[in-house]
Amino acid sequence: DAKTTQPPSMDCAEGRAANLPCNHSTISGNEYVYWYRQIHSQGPQYIIHGLKNNETNEMASLIITEDRKSSTLILPHATLRDTAVYYCIVRVHAGGYQKVTFGTGTKLQVIP
Amino acid sequence: DAMVIQNPRYQVTQFGKPVTLSCSQTLNHNVMYWYQQKSSQAPKLLFHYYDKDFNNEADTPDNFQSRRPNTSFCFLDIRSPGLGDTAMYLCATSGQTMNTEAFFGQGTRLTVV
Repeated sequence: DAKTTQPPSMDCAEGRAANLPCNHSTISGNEYVYWYRQIHSQGPQYIIHGLKNNETNEMASLIITEDRKSSTLILPHATLRDTAVYYCIVRVHAGGYQKVTFGTGTKLQVIP
Repeated sequence: DAMVIQNPRYQVTQFGKPVTLSCSQTLNHNVMYWYQQKSSQAPKLLFHYYDKDFNNEADTPDNFQSRRPNTSFCFLDIRSPGLGDTAMYLCATSGQTMNTEAFFGQGTRLTVV
């Protein structure tokens, strides 16, 4: 019951910005968009999240469209260590909280 | 400091021999999750706890059970592992508000032989 769709794979040249899109057209007004990444054989790592305003932290920027139906994760200067699977997640309501379920993700390959 | 700790990191078990994976957290989070991740696939939610309330996903096999004796610990029991249960098993925790991220352990890689 993942609520997001992402392209299965993308390439990015080292040093360039990586822009990873995500569609979440059924998102509700109070649901946050979260981004995680998973480097091979490790647990998923939190990157960033947002509700409706654009967000930036030391790892990435998150751009959310005004209608909130899509978002873009931006890695401003991709390095080889950014090669990973990136998951866009909208947490699903489950009573008094929101459970975390994964879509298929985007496999980002950073090329030297 | 690790906040979600899974033990062991690697586990080999025989076909049909019960196995238990453990997860502990230092975050005092209400919600704990167990996921199964097979090779080249996304993590698949098996079940989760909200405090002591257990929530099973509809398609989780009966072979998979879980226990949460207290806030800090959660266990995944596989009663009769099959070869198809070979996978990475991930534990995660989160607070109950929407504005808090989930934290993941490094996973236990289970191999059924």
